[in-house]
Amino acid sequence: GEDVEQSLFLSVREGDSSVINCTYTDSSSTYLYWYKQEPGAGLQLLTYIFSNMDMKQDQRLTVLLNKKDKHLSLRIADTQTGDSAIYFCAERETGFQKLVFGTGTRLLVSP
Amino acid sequence: EPEVTQTPSHQVTQMGQEVILRCVPISNHLYFYWYRQILGQKVEFLVSFYNNEISEKSEIFDDQFSVERPDGSNFTLKIRSTKLEDSAMYFCASTIPEGTGELFFGEGSRLTVL
Repeated sequence: GEDVEQSLFLSVREGDSSVINCTYTDSSSTYLYWYKQEPGAGLQLLTYIFSNMDMKQDQRLTVLLNKKDKHLSLRIADTQTGDSAIYFCAERETGFQKLVFGTGTRLLVSP
Repeated sequence: EPEVTQTPSHQVTQMGQEVILRCVPISNHLYFYWYRQILGQKVEFLVSFYNNEISEKSEIFDDQFSVERPDGSNFTLKIRSTKLEDSAMYFCASTIPEGTGELFFGEGSRLTVL
């Protein structure tokens, strides 16, 4: 079955860049997503990338996709304390509507 | 901006009791989902629902679980006889079939089984 893995924790200083990594197993994934979960809140879509793209940039966010290695990353430039949250990588397999989520990476941004 | 709403935000129940979690998906969405997140663990898929029937379910979604869309707006998850290990945050989500397949999530219902 599908499996999505992430590192559990990342700590950075305010103003630095953060890079959150994700690996997935399903080579037929069509879309890959990054969701953000703030404390006590639901999951909010940050960005997504279609599987035929290598990179997508959206303001401070850059998504890189390496299909060969099944590796996805999310780079947050100029990380702010408000970026502290849990970040989930998710994939959607061709022909299916469900998303499969990773374990989540807790990002802690210190002043 | 339209959003998915869930009630209750927190429910405490005794083991063996029935629980119903309610969701109001975004009005023009056609696919509905329940996910759960046990504290500190992954967000796990439970079930998807389309055209008034279950389209996919996971191994977690056993006979103790059921879903229903009793009217045009609500989407419910029922747990017939709760167990301690059902304690989790339950998220409802909805989407339209086309486009990016982005799921729109509610804020979750925290279930605590004592």
